[in-house]
Amino acid sequence: KAGVTQTPRYLIKTRGQQVTLSCSPISGHRSVSWYQQTPGQGLQFLFEYFSETQRNKGNFPGRFSGRQFSNSRSEMNVSTLELGDSALYLCASSLIGSPYEQYFGPGTRLTVT
Amino acid sequence: GQQLNQSPQSMFIQEGEDVSMNCTSSSIFNTWLWYKQDPGEGPVLLIALYKAGELTSNGRLTAQFGITRKDSFLNISASIPSDVGIYFCAGNLYNNNDMRFGAGTRLTVKP
Repeated sequence: KAGVTQTPRYLIKTRGQQVTLSCSPISGHRSVSWYQQTPGQGLQFLFEYFSETQRNKGNFPGRFSGRQFSNSRSEMNVSTLELGDSALYLCASSLIGSPYEQYFGPGTRLTVT
Repeated sequence: GQQLNQSPQSMFIQEGEDVSMNCTSSSIFNTWLWYKQDPGEGPVLLIALYKAGELTSNGRLTAQFGITRKDSFLNISASIPSDVGIYFCAGNLYNNNDMRFGAGTRLTVKP
């Protein structure tokens, strides 16, 4: 079974731009969560989607948004990028019956200059 | 911010030695999970714990869910070079569904 895939793997943007990251969960997984990982703050929860609905949200500004499609694929968008948004963005998927056993993708490394 | 205190921050050990790391919190958790992350990759789930007192093994790895539900530990026996990486604890609070992660323990194994 293929794992979680994320595209692109690397991205360089400038301040003020916006960016969209994509995540394809493991087949059969309907829950998708997004995390931001930085050296200073570690892994921080952004939001979780299930059946195309945002089920949970972390403590991030409204510039961070996401959505989930009917095939469970998910995208996250960051608008008006700031230097501090530079991070590894990780997507994780899980089964309905085991919501806390999350399987992570390789991440998208975003650099904002 | 993080609500999990993970220690130690880093460990340098000799191949063949046993390793122990732990996570503590002032809050009660419903689940505890342990992940390993290699450079340039996402975290990989090692062990999931769902009940206070639960002790679970995965090969040379053993983890326990603390009785108070506020802590967990991970042991690695007879370490090998491929154990190198960053180990994270994670859990979800009893009154919240989102996951919290520890800051990680960076393990270096010298052959």
